[in-house]
Amino acid sequence: GAGVSQSPRYKVAKRGQDVALRCDPISGHVSLFWYQQALGQGPEFLTYFQNEAQLDKSGLPSDRFFAERPEGSVSTLKIQRTQQEDSAVYLCASRPGQGTYEQYFGPGTRLTVT
Amino acid sequence: EDKVVQSPLSLVVHEGDTVTLNCSYEVTNFRSLLWYKQEKKAPTFLFMLTSSGIEKKSGRLSSILDKKELFSILNITATQTGDSAIYLCAVKSGGSNYKLTFGKGTLLTVNP
Repeated sequence: GAGVSQSPRYKVAKRGQDVALRCDPISGHVSLFWYQQALGQGPEFLTYFQNEAQLDKSGLPSDRFFAERPEGSVSTLKIQRTQQEDSAVYLCASRPGQGTYEQYFGPGTRLTVT
Repeated sequence: EDKVVQSPLSLVVHEGDTVTLNCSYEVTNFRSLLWYKQEKKAPTFLFMLTSSGIEKKSGRLSSILDKKELFSILNITATQTGDSAIYLCAVKSGGSNYKLTFGKGTLLTVNP
């Protein structure tokens, strides 16, 4: 079946612009995660949804970052007033439920802020 | 704060070589350790380890966990150019049932 998909795959934004990154998880997956992966680093946790509820947003680096999953499926990560330090790959992952630990990752969106 | 350290950070080998990648961790209330392979796309799941001393194997890849010494190794035998990728280690610790802490990864390059 289809895996996790993300769009766009690449995004170039000028500093100060707002961006919206989309994640389509695997159908039926309850849990959804966003990670930020800077160059040469491992993914770092941003936020976690269980269905439509955002249960943990402790990893969001500032109040410019906002994520939603209104109907418990597609999720959007929005970054307002982008800064150069926001340049990274943003990975989305989903998982069937709470009991399993394996997360299935999407291909990521590479954001470059100029 | 949970910490995952991978070594080496990068490695270049020739096809046919055997490699060992290392992952050490310091976490509160360890639950499991996961290995992922990341090419220029989504990280793909390789193994999940929860018990010490039990080797997990998939083809030329194998992994084992030592919960006493707090590390895991990932072995790749008879490497192929298609094994070139970043190998990520992640740890799931107590306190939440979802959050993974990743290491920086090991960049493996297999030359023909």
